[in-house]
Amino acid sequence: AQKVTQAQTEISVVEKEDVTLDCVYETRDTTYYLFWYKQPPSGELVFLIRRNSFDEQNEISGRYSWNFQKSTSSFNFTITASQVVDSAVYFCALISTNAGKSTFGDGTTLTVKP
Amino acid sequence: DAGVIQSPRHEVTEMGQEVTLRCKPISGHNSLFWYRQTMMRGLELLIYFNNNVPIDDSGMPEDRFSAKMPNASFSTLKIQPSEPRDSAVYFCASSLTGSGAVNTEAFFGQGTRLTVV
Repeated sequence: AQKVTQAQTEISVVEKEDVTLDCVYETRDTTYYLFWYKQPPSGELVFLIRRNSFDEQNEISGRYSWNFQKSTSSFNFTITASQVVDSAVYFCALISTNAGKSTFGDGTTLTVKP
Repeated sequence: DAGVIQSPRHEVTEMGQEVTLRCKPISGHNSLFWYRQTMMRGLELLIYFNNNVPIDDSGMPEDRFSAKMPNASFSTLKIQPSEPRDSAVYFCASSLTGSGAVNTEAFFGQGTRLTVV
């Protein structure tokens, strides 16, 4: 069975603050992919990043960075110098490479205040 | 590629009516997912197809819900009869999965907002 836990239901920060969104997962599969999606108020689901279970290298893309630690089954997402436009619901997801089934966390609602 | 295409974008129907949601996945993708999103329950996976075959339908809430994928380029989600508690945004997503393939992320359609009154 697969499970993705995003313990933070809501986070509120002031613009320019750094914020980290936590994601912990469970899977019995040895190979899998982890993802982060953003859902802005407009409602669409926007893909942010994909990480293969073999690749624990952290990644930085502009103000976004991701910390994947297999030892703790975590895939955390940090936004540096947050902006109001970052306000959205962020989902962490896991896909098994064997079955192809995806499992999403419940999402973290991030509010960035000016 | 136009991405995952869902229709209609919005649907308002009366309780008891049949509702059919449609999805066209990205060409070449072999996995298709139907999700339902509500404030109370978040994003729920309803059913997952791989190579047009339903693999896991454990998320389908009850017999009123059914999904089909007659070919690689089309899927439907049907609710009959519809009830007010079915009101939600229904997303369709597709991806490429399988051994030896480059497993991609799930690409989502823009969703169908269903309101049952």
